[in-house]
Amino acid sequence: AAGVIQSPRHLIKEKRETATLKCYPIPRHDTVYWYQQGPGQDPQFLISFYEKMQSDKGSIPDRFSAQQFSDYHSELNMSSLELGDSALYFCASSPRRRGGYTFGSGTRLTVV
Amino acid sequence: AQTVTQSQPEMSVQEAETVTLSCTYDTSESDYYLFWYKQPPSRQMILVIRQEAYKQQNATENRFSVNFQKAAKSFSLKISDSQLGDAAMYFCAHSPTQGGSEKLVFGKGTKLTVNP
Repeated sequence: AAGVIQSPRHLIKEKRETATLKCYPIPRHDTVYWYQQGPGQDPQFLISFYEKMQSDKGSIPDRFSAQQFSDYHSELNMSSLELGDSALYFCASSPRRRGGYTFGSGTRLTVV
Repeated sequence: AQTVTQSQPEMSVQEAETVTLSCTYDTSESDYYLFWYKQPPSRQMILVIRQEAYKQQNATENRFSVNFQKAAKSFSLKISDSQLGDAAMYFCAHSPTQGGSEKLVFGKGTKLTVNP
């Protein structure tokens, strides 16, 4: 079965650089969620999209932005990177209101 | 706001034995979902089991079962016949069913060690 695809798997950036993370949801899933998991932490909700519109926003810094495209894939753009942005970034997708969703394998971002 | 509390930062169990991981939550909503996710060293987030709050029957998935006590806002996970592959970080999570967002709120996690 198709899974949630995230790219790249690993990313190393320097401080103040920009990063773009991509997420390809499971086919026919119309909702995408982004989470950030710092070292030794639980995942924290960043933002979600339903039918290409932002549906909810969590603790996402103003330096970050995201969108969902017409093919339902989503991108998380991160600018002016800081050392504290180093984390595992998960994308997850679901069909609307089905209770629970499938996570991708994550993108490990390291800021040096 | 919803909160999820896992009071056991670490647990250990002998292979083939049974272990129970605790989770309590707080919510003002009447309908919601509860989940247990497993995160092995690969860091993949794997859904273990899901419970819908309006269902009184406890969810079961093979060796995994839950004890859902809605009035007490408790949602514990029982792992029977523990296997070495069960070693992982386990996260309890809550999600509303209404309001337009089904974002997950996670507990801090319980690290499970399985001893051979």
